Amino acid sequence: EPEVTQTPSHQVTQMGQEVILRCVPISNHLYFYWYRQILGQKVEFLVSFYNNEISEKSEIFDDQFSVERPDGSNFTLKIRSTKLEDSAMYFCASSAGSGTGNTIYFGEGSWLTVV
Amino acid sequence: GQNIDQPTEMTATEGAIVQINCTYQTSGFNGLFWYQQHAGEAPTFLSYNVLDGLEEKGRFSSFLSRSKGYSYLLLKELQMKDSASYLCAVQLSGGSYIPTFGRGTSLIVHP
Repeated sequence: EPEVTQTPSHQVTQMGQEVILRCVPISNHLYFYWYRQILGQKVEFLVSFYNNEISEKSEIFDDQFSVERPDGSNFTLKIRSTKLEDSAMYFCASSAGSGTGNTIYFGEGSWLTVV
Repeated sequence: GQNIDQPTEMTATEGAIVQINCTYQTSGFNGLFWYQQHAGEAPTFLSYNVLDGLEEKGRFSSFLSRSKGYSYLLLKELQMKDSASYLCAVQLSGGSYIPTFGRGTSLIVHP
């Protein structure tokens, strides 16, 4: 069964450093997403991406964050100047469409620990 | 704002039936997802309801009442591996179909 893959599975970084999280969405999917989940809290939407541009973003997704699709398969989340409160599990997800009933499929996540 | 409520934790016995409720007050509604999430893992899709009524899929069923802003996930013949968090997520209408998640219900199944 096709799946969303993410790397790295776990990254520890020092406060102030830049981090890039990588994702390979399901191959025939057109919509890509990043969510995050702080330990013990709910899954929160960050950003959605379609047709090589951001289609929607939450208030969490400020200037510290950026996304990119550098080639035909990868989808990345860059966090500039990381803060302690950025420590969370970051989930990449993809879907075939965006309307009614289009299921979002999640990757296994990347644990980010900022120290 | 969007408000999605689920019980924080539930416990049940192996072989039993458990019902996990979700109520929502949102600005627009298009449909409702249920996801299962084991600790430290990704949410995995269980069900999607857009019309009122019960959708059955093996041991799992999901119910929706749009007029009451209410859904439940029914798990039958519980197994130990069903111990996980169950996430209710509302898909909003009005141009944004991004699911908004509740805090999840942690289900503990004991022998």
